[in-house]
Amino acid sequence: EVYLVESGGDLVRPGGSLRLSCAGSGFTFSCCPMNWFRQAPGKGLEWVSSISNFATYINYAPSVRGRFTISRDNAKNSVYLQMDSLRAEDTAVYYCAREMPTIEDATDFWGRGTLVTVSS
Amino acid sequence: DIQMTQSPSSLSAFVGDRVTITCRASQGIKNYLAWFQQKPGRAPKSLIYGASSLQSGVPSKFSGSGSATDFTLTIRSLQPEDFATYYCQQYYTYPWTFGQGTKVELK
Repeated sequence: EVYLVESGGDLVRPGGSLRLSCAGSGFTFSCCPMNWFRQAPGKGLEWVSSISNFATYINYAPSVRGRFTISRDNAKNSVYLQMDSLRAEDTAVYYCAREMPTIEDATDFWGRGTLVTVSS
Repeated sequence: DIQMTQSPSSLSAFVGDRVTITCRASQGIKNYLAWFQQKPGRAPKSLIYGASSLQSGVPSKFSGSGSATDFTLTIRSLQPEDFATYYCQQYYTYPWTFGQGTKVELK
C-alpha cells in the first residue's frame, strides 16, 4: 500500500526558514512526479510546487516562487520543500502528493500533512 | 491563472439524496479536472481524475462529467460518510488551481 508521510512542520518566526520532508513507501518512488500542496487554517486547497520523476522539471506557485525550493532524493524515497523568507501567510498544513504513474499530472495518494506556523 | 468556481458553496441534504456539484473553469481545460473529498482534520482524498475517471477504490455512487469549462460531480444516495467538503482542481496548466470548495451538510 502507498504511504506518504510528511514531517518538519514547526513554529517559525517571520523571515525564518524551514525544511519539510515527505517519505514515500509502498511504491517505486522514482515512478512518479511529486507535489506539495497547502491549506491555510479554515481555507481551501492551494498547489505549491511540482517536481518530475528525476527533477528535470520543476514548477512553483507564484506566491512561493523565489522563496521555496523543491527537491527529491529517489534513493531515499523522499521529496523535500525548503522554505525561506517565511511569511505569516505561509501558515498552513502542507501536504505532499504523488502523481499517478500513468496519468500525467493527476494526483492519487496524499500524505496526512504537517503544520507550519509562521508567527512572532 | 485559471479560476475555478464551484457552486453551490454549501448544500444541505438528507441521507439517500442525490446531489450535484458544479465546477466552472475560466478558460477551457479539456478534461484535466480532478475532484477531491475532504473531511475535517483529514487529508484530501482523490475521487475522480480526467473529469470522469473514478480512482481505484472509490465507490461508483460518485460520478463526474464535463469537459472544456463546465464540470459536475454527482453523488448518488448520500450516506453519512459522504458529508464532507468537495473540491475541484484543474491540472491543465500551471499554476494548478482549486475551486473554493462545496460543503455538503446533513439536513
